[in-house]
Amino acid sequence: DTEVTQTPKHLVMGMTNKKSLKCEQHMGHRAMYWYKQKAKKPPELMFVYSYEKLSINESVPSRFSPECPNSSLLNLHLHALQPEDSALYLCASSQDGGRTSSYNSPLHFGNGTRLTVT
Amino acid sequence: GESVGLHLPTLSVQEGDNSIINCAYSNSASDYFIWYKQESGKGPQFIIDIRSNMDKRQGQRVTVLLNKTVKHLSLQIAATQPGDSAVYFCAGTGGSYIPTFGRGTSLIVHP
Repeated sequence: DTEVTQTPKHLVMGMTNKKSLKCEQHMGHRAMYWYKQKAKKPPELMFVYSYEKLSINESVPSRFSPECPNSSLLNLHLHALQPEDSALYLCASSQDGGRTSSYNSPLHFGNGTRLTVT
Repeated sequence: GESVGLHLPTLSVQEGDNSIINCAYSNSASDYFIWYKQESGKGPQFIIDIRSNMDKRQGQRVTVLLNKTVKHLSLQIAATQPGDSAVYFCAGTGGSYIPTFGRGTSLIVHP
């Protein structure tokens, strides 16, 4: 079991649907991340929140909309996705991090949401 | 940005042997490196990290070596077990403090 919890584990959605991925951590970490991982590829960074503020957006299309309601929660809202957006979406947290940080700490990942867009 | 790559996509070993997974990086300003293990259906799991002021760090059955001169690091797993079968990623951070992942090595342990 990981200390970062992601729901749902699996999600199938049509291209016109709106859905949300959720992530929760209770380690007191102040940085949270969304990564996208395609099969047999490394995770690719999408967004970073540092102290509940969006600090990095890696040129992600606007059909992906992150939200950080508080320091423990991170959401990813999905709308009008394409089949090529099908992937494993990973949430991670770290004690500190992002471009506002002067301290490196390891990321703790959840087990991801397996998203299929039909 | 950081570019982190691995020499071999797949490594097959016999149970009980030692495994060595290599990783090269390109950004000489990188100062923090992490090894992750990702099992099928799971997220990456932190194994061990090392900062650039160190050459070697040991954990339980794992050792990470850092050679800054040639910008290379390795993960050594002692007495490899079937449960070690997974994809291993190295990640490095440069000035952005955001880890960039290498492409991964699939470790297959044969009983």
